[in-house]
Amino acid sequence: DAKTTQPPSMDCAEGRAANLPCNHSTISGNEYVYWYRQIHSQGPQYIIHGLKNNETNEMASLIITEDRKSSTLILPHATLRDTAVYYCIVRGYLYGGSQGNLIFGKGTKLSVKP
Amino acid sequence: DGGITQSPKYLFRKEGQNVTLSCEQNLNHDAMYWYRQDPGQGLRLIYYSQIVNDFQKGDIAEGYSVSREKKESFPLTVTSAQKNPTAFYLCASSIRLLDTEAFFGQGTRLTVV
Repeated sequence: DAKTTQPPSMDCAEGRAANLPCNHSTISGNEYVYWYRQIHSQGPQYIIHGLKNNETNEMASLIITEDRKSSTLILPHATLRDTAVYYCIVRGYLYGGSQGNLIFGKGTKLSVKP
Repeated sequence: DGGITQSPKYLFRKEGQNVTLSCEQNLNHDAMYWYRQDPGQGLRLIYYSQIVNDFQKGDIAEGYSVSREKKESFPLTVTSAQKNPTAFYLCASSIRLLDTEAFFGQGTRLTVV
């Protein structure tokens, strides 16, 4: 089972920031937070990941709360092409069984509107 | 161009037939994965392979089989034992098993009639 909780859907106006929340209250110390997105009928695309510090790359920013029980993915200037399902995933980095595998929940369907 | 290729994009088979889905990568990645996605659902892990000649069952391996004879290739066979084979199948690879980023193919949509 996915260890994360995300709202099923969100809308965002084109050009505005999209803030996608994720709850992961049972996250353990050896687990990272990953974000992927999936545009309709395509394979998922990696966006960003973090452990406890905030992270930023060319696609997005990831804000993780101090207690690490929740995080927010920020798309600073959403475009129509950002319309997709966004998956928040917690993933261990220790070798052993399937701990390190990506477990995808249902994600948040983000609709960017003109 | 480097990437991960799945073929075909659409596949139709009759019930009771085995079918093999192709997945090839030229990224020189050691780890490869197969996921299944049903409408409106997340991805579920079928099998994964850490290295050539090694593979492990994921969460829903029943009715599926894989092989990893070459580093570049990780074919998935959907057998007649899989009760609900109609789904969207996604292959992925990463440099190592626990690497930070996995690269996904464009998927194969299998319909069994």
